[in-house]
Amino acid sequence: DSGVTQTPKHLITATGQRVTLRCSPRSGDLSVYWYQQSLDQGLQFLIQYYNGEERAKGNILERFSAQQFPDLHSELNLSSLELGDSALYFCASSSYGYTFGSGTRLTVV
Amino acid sequence: QQPVQSPQAVILREGEDAVINCSSSKALYSVHWYRQKHGEAPVFLMILLKGGEQKGHEKISASFNEKKQQSSLYLTASQLSYSGTYFCGTEGSGNTGKLIFGQGTTLQVKP
Repeated sequence: DSGVTQTPKHLITATGQRVTLRCSPRSGDLSVYWYQQSLDQGLQFLIQYYNGEERAKGNILERFSAQQFPDLHSELNLSSLELGDSALYFCASSSYGYTFGSGTRLTVV
Repeated sequence: QQPVQSPQAVILREGEDAVINCSSSKALYSVHWYRQKHGEAPVFLMILLKGGEQKGHEKISASFNEKKQQSSLYLTASQLSYSGTYFCGTEGSGNTGKLIFGQGTTLQVKP
């Protein structure tokens, strides 16, 4: 257990639907980062939150949004899902280097 | 801008050495290295801050040349457990903590 908790581990949903991915950072870490990893692809940065505030944004689609709550857990909302959104979604928190959660595998059918 | 890793793939025999390079076109504050095994999350290996220091433990080490914006990961006397995909992640001079990852280098160590 890395200390970063992601739920759910797997998600299968239909095109056009909306899903929410959840991440709890390691105790004491204030930052949460979200990354998308498509099949055999690298890690694409989506968005970063620090202590409840958005700090940096990557190539995140307008259909995607995120937030970090007062207890520091974060949620990534994906709406109007398309087949191409199928991927592994990782969150990470950092103190010295990133600690990644185990990921959520999203399959859009 | 995404850093460029080379080579894209390496196949080694146990005991052989490998070098993986990471190059950025932007000024960097730090470079991180991670290893990801198939179906698992990336695992942190080491971080190098600007200053050119070399870090490592056991048989995995790395260097960072901030003037050239390049980092190299050195794996010596490779073991089967070293197999996986290695990613460098670069943090820009803004020091926000955000990492941009390279496309990865797949390393396969054979007996």
